[in-house]
This record gives sequence, structure tokens and C-alpha cells, in this order.
Amino acid sequence: SFELTQPPSVSVSPGQTATITCSGDALSNQYSYWYQQKPGQAPVLVIYKDNERPSGIPERFSGSSSGTTVTLTISGVQAEDEADYYCQSSDNTGSSPFGGGTKLTVL
Amino acid sequence: QVQLVQSGAEVKKPGASVKVSCTASSKTFSNVGIAWVRQAPGQGLEYMGWISGYNGKTNYAQRFQGRVTMTTDTSTRTAYMELRSLRSDDTAVYYCARRDVIIYFGMDVWGPGTTVTVSS
Repeated sequence: SFELTQPPSVSVSPGQTATITCSGDALSNQYSYWYQQKPGQAPVLVIYKDNERPSGIPERFSGSSSGTTVTLTISGVQAEDEADYYCQSSDNTGSSPFGGGTKLTVL
Repeated sequence: QVQLVQSGAEVKKPGASVKVSCTASSKTFSNVGIAWVRQAPGQGLEYMGWISGYNGKTNYAQRFQGRVTMTTDTSTRTAYMELRSLRSDDTAVYYCARRDVIIYFGMDVWGPGTTVTVSS
């Protein structure tokens, strides 16, 4: 299996831009996904296929990919965006691990 | 909008097995898959594997192979995850989630989670 590495925490002030990175060798040729999880709740898919937003996800959420690193960007961060964020990908064996998660704090 | 309803909390002794169910409120499993993800207290998400609703084919994460079985009953729109030889570190919330080919197998609908506690 492969590993995905995320920073443990990111802090940003309201209205600023938050960027959360995720690194892993498999990301160079596999799609990535991002999930938001608030305390006591199930995760929510916010980005799929590197940069696509599911229906109902605000436009301030965007994703990008470059080599072995993918990035989740939240523009104009709001207090309600405070949550844990997890990246995920898959390899050609079907292994689909999550990154360790990043706690986003809105100051 | 499809919803996933999971079975209730379980308390098991070490060495026992647990079987968690996940029922879709509508739509069949034929063109989606069901993944299982768990989260130990205070920890991150851990992918366990998934089962294709199309052909019943399974793919398990390496660390669970030999100890987990995922099945579906298409007549009741229910997926099952059985974990055997339980240990205390299997204590976690177990989620089922729909993987839809339309969104490149992202997990777009999640169940509320089932708490499994393993304790002697």
C-alpha cells in the first residue's frame, strides 16, 4: 500500500485563503479526493477527481494537482469551515488509503 | 437523495465477530459500490475496503485481509461488513459510504456510523 502525507494543522483568519497539501507517490497518476469532517459527524466529500466539486459544495472549495502533491484550497474561509480535512487516493491494486488528516482552525 | 442507514451500536468481547449493516433508502447497488471506513476514538479515517454493487467483487485493505468480509443483498439494498477476531484496537466508529462511478468512485453519501466497542 502507499501513504499520503498531510500537515497536522493549518490556521487561518476568516476571509483569508487556506491551503492544505497532500503528498504521495501515487498522486502523480491517480485521482485524489478531499473530505471534510466536523466533530461528531460523518465525513463529507468536497472535492473529487483532483478538482471537481460535488453538487452543493460551495465554490470557495477548490482542488489542484501537481506531480505527487495535491492541494485543497479554501478561499474566503468562514468560521463554518473549521473541521478536519482528509485527502484520499487509490492505486492500481485498489488500495485507497486516507491521509492522516489536517485540522483547520479558523482564528 | 439516497440515505444510508446503519445498524446500531455493538459491544463485543475480544475474539468475537461483529457484523454491521448499511441499508440504502432508495436506488439499487447495481451501479455503485459500498466502501467501509472506520475511525478509532480521536484518530483519523481508515479505509477498510469496498464491494462493487455491480458484480459483488471485493477489494480489502491489506491489513484487514483474512479478517473482514463484505457482502451485499441487492434485494434489500443492504450491505454488510463482518470483522472477525476482534481486538481492543478495533474499537471505532464504522462508516459505510457509497462510491459512485459518476464521481470517479468518490464517496459521496455516508452512513451515520456504527460504534463498535471491543472490551472484556
